Amino acid sequence: DAKTTQPTSMDCAEGRAANLPCNHSTISGNEYVYWYRQIHSQGPQYIIHGLKNNETNEMASLIITEDRKSSTLILPHATLRDTAVYYCIVRVLSGSARQLTFGSGTQLTVLP
Amino acid sequence: ETGVTQTPRHLVMGMTNKKSLKCEQHLGHNAMYWYKQSAKKPLELMFVYNFKEQTENNSVPSRFSPECPNSSHLFLHLHTLQPEDSALYLCASSQEGTALQHFGDGTRLSIL
Repeated sequence: DAKTTQPTSMDCAEGRAANLPCNHSTISGNEYVYWYRQIHSQGPQYIIHGLKNNETNEMASLIITEDRKSSTLILPHATLRDTAVYYCIVRVLSGSARQLTFGSGTQLTVLP
Repeated sequence: ETGVTQTPRHLVMGMTNKKSLKCEQHLGHNAMYWYKQSAKKPLELMFVYNFKEQTENNSVPSRFSPECPNSSHLFLHLHTLQPEDSALYLCASSQEGTALQHFGDGTRLSIL
């Protein structure tokens, strides 16, 4: 699976959009970009994933650059409950059951 | 509610004790995972079960013994643990082959 690079930490004002970047310059053509988050004292939670087109769901939007070497997770109106560690993971969509490789992620702190 | 339930949520044990962690998923998934999350470290995969068969063991010491009696239940049996085994132990499940894993909230284990 391709490696990812994320900033260690970011702050965002409550009510503003939070834009979390991820670099994955060695991504392969069949690898997807997944985002998970982990709120303190909870297990990781799936947010969104995409291959090359931008994706949106009720939680967030995912913008993937045309060359697929980087992406941005957007939380359109951040709330205090969005404070968490956000993980960007790159791997193939399916195959034999295998793990997700979590890096260190980005600690997002939403400030009141 | 993630559909993955872990018990107990907290466990304190001595190095000579034997205890078990339990994970149950209500999502109809056929793959289950154990992860370890130590303080200030990324999640580390321990074991993968696919259709009740262990398909991956990430060089985990034998003092950790997994058991998967059926696709809905996963156990982690612990014996003669070391202080460095103190960590958050997370269980996850997925449909075989997908990266959309659902996590429980973990068991916080402390070894005295």
